Amino acid sequence: DSGVTQTPKHLITATGQRVTLRCSPRSGDLSVYWYQQSLDQGLQFLIQYYNGEERAKGNILERFSAQQFPDLHSELNLSSLELGDSALYFCASSPRRYPGQGPKNEQFFGPGTRLTVL
Amino acid sequence: ELKVEQNPLFLSMQEGKNYTIYCNYSTTSDRLYWYRQDPGKSLESLFVLLSNGAVKQEGRLMASLDTKARLSTLHITAAVHDLSATYFCAAQMTGANNLFFGTGTRLTVIP
Repeated sequence: DSGVTQTPKHLITATGQRVTLRCSPRSGDLSVYWYQQSLDQGLQFLIQYYNGEERAKGNILERFSAQQFPDLHSELNLSSLELGDSALYFCASSPRRYPGQGPKNEQFFGPGTRLTVL
Repeated sequence: ELKVEQNPLFLSMQEGKNYTIYCNYSTTSDRLYWYRQDPGKSLESLFVLLSNGAVKQEGRLMASLDTKARLSTLHITAAVHDLSATYFCAAQMTGANNLFFGTGTRLTVIP
């Protein structure tokens, strides 16, 4: 158990709908990352938040957005869902912002949310 | 963007045998990670490699990093069934935090 929690575990919805995925980082971790794992694209970085602010963006679609709240939990919002959005969405957390700010600053991954769009 | 290539994609090994998984990355990277993923599960951190020549070992797994060659290897010694899983390497660009993952190597250890 990494200490990162994600809800829900599974989500089944229809095309065109909107869903929200939730992530709670490990206690004390300030950075949250969202990744998407699909058969087509593999594991891709979507977005990073640090202490409530967006810090880096990857291959995140405009239909997707995220935020990090004052209690450091994060939500990933996916809208106008398409069949191709079906994937496993992982959240990860790390203590610090920059690799140089500590010996490791490694990321610990949550259990994931499996999204199925029908 | 950092490109990370792993090979092989699929690996079927007999118990007791040794093998190596290779991970190449395209540009300068601060650090290299190896993760294990069981089917339908999350990513479990195995190793973090921080500098050129770094070598880390845990049980039957040993990881190394050659930053000049932009190559990391994960060596499996005397494989056992419990090692069956998908192994990912991931690289982190200098000054960045997000990870770029390889395609993964699905390892199956057969009796």
